[in-house]
Amino acid sequence: DTAVSQTPKYLVTQMGNDKSIKCEQNLGHDTMYWYKQDSKKFLKIMFSYNNKELIINETVPNRFSPKSPDKAHLNLHINSLELGDSAVYFCASSRRLDTQYFGPGTRLTVL
Amino acid sequence: GEDVEQSLFLSVREGDSSVINCTYTDSSSTYLYWYKQEPGAGLQLLTYIFSNMDMKQDQRLTVLLNKKDKHLSLRIADTQTGDSAIYFCAESQGEKLTFGTGTRLTIIP
Repeated sequence: DTAVSQTPKYLVTQMGNDKSIKCEQNLGHDTMYWYKQDSKKFLKIMFSYNNKELIINETVPNRFSPKSPDKAHLNLHINSLELGDSAVYFCASSRRLDTQYFGPGTRLTVL
Repeated sequence: GEDVEQSLFLSVREGDSSVINCTYTDSSSTYLYWYKQEPGAGLQLLTYIFSNMDMKQDQRLTVLLNKKDKHLSLRIADTQTGDSAIYFCAESQGEKLTFGTGTRLTIIP
């Protein structure tokens, strides 16, 4: 009965590769988010989608491309990975303007 | 967290009360939240308070909100070892949450 799930939990890859992280929620929410948590535990929003439409894009390099195939899924694709992309990426969901519920996170390590 | 500030560390003896403080900047925030992050885990919603409230109590948790000073606090009564975690306050700004830097709570046996 997982509410917000992400795959994979861990991702280790080489610089320059392209990778995707998947997120699914079964809460019936219409808004989904991606957040990045750096090594100092600082959390910052990257993107938000409402009903499959992009509503927040917070100065994120265009190597990052979110894709929402339907309201229950929000995937994050990253091209040409760089060392600085190493972080924990959290997906979240909510009803619009309501409380956000977070997934378990995906720890990305770029070598 | 450039707009939402917290102390980075707090150590408390087991059984004592913990008080974690947060200052925020956006007076138009509708909701203010407290999230808990245990090591290697995701963010767990602990509690939240609507901006027109001064206080909210939920079992061992008490949230106090001072809108005039833009100050939010979380009090954990009878702190236990399982309370060891990083605690984040967050303010809602429209569609997004802006998080504080997090306070790492350490319990001293």
